[in-house]
Amino acid sequence: EAQVTQNPRYLITVTGKKLTVTCSQNMNHEYMSWYRQDPGLGLRQIYYSMNVEVTDKGDVPEGYKVSRKEKRNFPLILESPSPNQTSLYFCASSSRTGAGNSPLHFGNGTRLTVT
Amino acid sequence: LAKTTQPISMDSYEGQEVNITCSHNNIATNDYITWYQQFPSQGPRFIIQGYKTKVTNEVASLFIPADRKSSTLSLPRVSLSDTAVYYCLVGAGNTGGFKTIFGAGTRLFVKA
Repeated sequence: EAQVTQNPRYLITVTGKKLTVTCSQNMNHEYMSWYRQDPGLGLRQIYYSMNVEVTDKGDVPEGYKVSRKEKRNFPLILESPSPNQTSLYFCASSSRTGAGNSPLHFGNGTRLTVT
Repeated sequence: LAKTTQPISMDSYEGQEVNITCSHNNIATNDYITWYQQFPSQGPRFIIQGYKTKVTNEVASLFIPADRKSSTLSLPRVSLSDTAVYYCLVGAGNTGGFKTIFGAGTRLFVKA
């Protein structure tokens, strides 16, 4: 089954303790992206990757890192989490077909709480 | 980058047609318009995508006027299960990779 898998689904941590949220897709997609969702603010892009070893900042990259060493994986790293990073996080991927119609496929989300 | 504006919320009754309009005044020539549906605690799900005029699939229709500065998602005969948040996204779909900007979405509530 084609899917984007995020882990963990729920995470509670303390300020300053480094954490990684994993994201994996099995659709051979070039493009992957991370978003955070907060009440009333919709989805905001954190980082995206056009392909292996190619990453770029979205609208809200501060406090986050990403890496794209393999095509299928795109982990989100919080080196020193703070309470304002408490949010619902989504990973997404899409293909580069060159013919239009490259919808994003989203994972089921990771709910992060930083105390 | 084209920002989008949608109504914050809409109410409807089962069996009615619902039209949700999205404004995107700064849409670029290469930009496609894509709509997503999101249920609580789930990731957004692709509904429909278009470039111009009208697109129809098994769940919705998308109407795009000639100037492409807005688009309307049409959901025929909604049911209670269509209660969700609907997002309009504008961007270059043919590259599959770029900076994506979602609006705040439209919360649709379908009543019995």
